[in-house]
Amino acid sequence: KQEVTQIPAALSVPEGENLVLNCSFTDSAIYNLQWFRQDPGKGLTSLLLIQSSQREQTSGRLNASLDKSSGRSTLYIAASQPGDSATYLCAVRGNDMRFGAGTRLTVKP
Amino acid sequence: DAGVTQSPTHLIKTRGQQVTLRCSPKSGHDTVSWYQQALGQGPQFIFQYYEEEERQRGNFPDRFSGHQFPNYSSELNVNALLLGDSALYLCASSLVGLAEGTQYFGPGTRLLVL
Repeated sequence: KQEVTQIPAALSVPEGENLVLNCSFTDSAIYNLQWFRQDPGKGLTSLLLIQSSQREQTSGRLNASLDKSSGRSTLYIAASQPGDSATYLCAVRGNDMRFGAGTRLTVKP
Repeated sequence: DAGVTQSPTHLIKTRGQQVTLRCSPKSGHDTVSWYQQALGQGPQFIFQYYEEEERQRGNFPDRFSGHQFPNYSSELNVNALLLGDSALYLCASSLVGLAEGTQYFGPGTRLLVL
């Protein structure tokens, strides 16, 4: 059974810092991995999708990497801004779609 | 281009009642998945509908059932509500099924069971 873990559970940084969010999964037989952002009480916004054959994807200040063999993905956020404050979720697609519990990010002005 | 829409936005029910939640997929999408998200946790997969049939199901009891209509919109029904069913219910749509392509999520329906 696929299990997805996100560390840390919460993170608080000053504006301008670069930061890394971690996602690990137990079963490497996946189709892809997706990173989402969720604002309080809202739905999920897709940030990046990495297919199993890819190593990384970039969008603006965001870069996501995937190491399927070690069961790890990282989301790198450059030059963080207060507007980046949200919960970040990773989701792994295998036989179904499994989510981590998320990392709650606060970026302080 | 409208994204995924869900209704209602909020709902309050009492134990034992039944509830129906609705979802309209993003334009051009044919597959709808439903998720339950308890407070402080990640979403959990309930089931997925494609071509009006349930294609896949997560670890949820039969009290949770669904339907997909010819226009690809979908309903989630929950019978005999329990306090533990209180959660944010998310609908996601995609084009080619669970294993491929980006899933787009709606804003969710927040259900409170008293």
